[in-house]
Amino acid sequence: KAGVTQTPRYLIKTRGQQVTLSCSPISGHRSVSWYQQTPGQGLQFLFEYFSETQRNKGNFPGRFSGRQFSNSRSEMNVSTLELGDSALYLCASSRRGGAETQYFGPGTRLLVL
Amino acid sequence: GQQLNQSPQSMFIQEGEDVSMNCTSSSIFNTWLWYKQDPGEGPVLLIALYKAGELTSNGRLTAQFGITRKDSFLNISASIPSDVGIYFCAGLSDYGGSQGNLIFGKGTKLSVKP
Repeated sequence: KAGVTQTPRYLIKTRGQQVTLSCSPISGHRSVSWYQQTPGQGLQFLFEYFSETQRNKGNFPGRFSGRQFSNSRSEMNVSTLELGDSALYLCASSRRGGAETQYFGPGTRLLVL
Repeated sequence: GQQLNQSPQSMFIQEGEDVSMNCTSSSIFNTWLWYKQDPGEGPVLLIALYKAGELTSNGRLTAQFGITRKDSFLNISASIPSDVGIYFCAGLSDYGGSQGNLIFGKGTKLSVKP
């Protein structure tokens, strides 16, 4: 069974640009969550999607948005990039979310110059 | 908000040594998860614990869900070089709730003793 896949793996952008990251969950998983990981803040929850609906949102500005498609694939968008947005962005999937354990993808390393 | 205190922050291991780390919180959790992350990769689930007092093993790894539901422990026996990496604990406080309730510790970095 294929794991969670994320594309691209690495990305370099400049301040002010926008970026879209993609996540394909494990087959049969309908919940996708996104996290930002930085050395200083650790793993911080961005949002969770389940059946194409955003079910929960972390404490991030509106520049961070996401969506989920009918095949459960999810995208995350960051507009007007700032230097502080440089991070490893991880997505994780589970069948139904909630108390179920979630499985992480390898992440997208974003560098904002 | 809820926080997990994970300790130690870092430790050095010599091959063959046993390793212990733990996570504590002032809040009660219903699920405890332990992950390992290698550089540039996503966290990989090691052990999941769903019941207070539960003791679960995965090879040389053993984890326990504290009886108070406010802590969890991970032990690695007879460590080997490939055990190096960062270990994260994560707690989930709300059955049926969103994944937003998954709280992560800051991680324990395991390195090889020079």
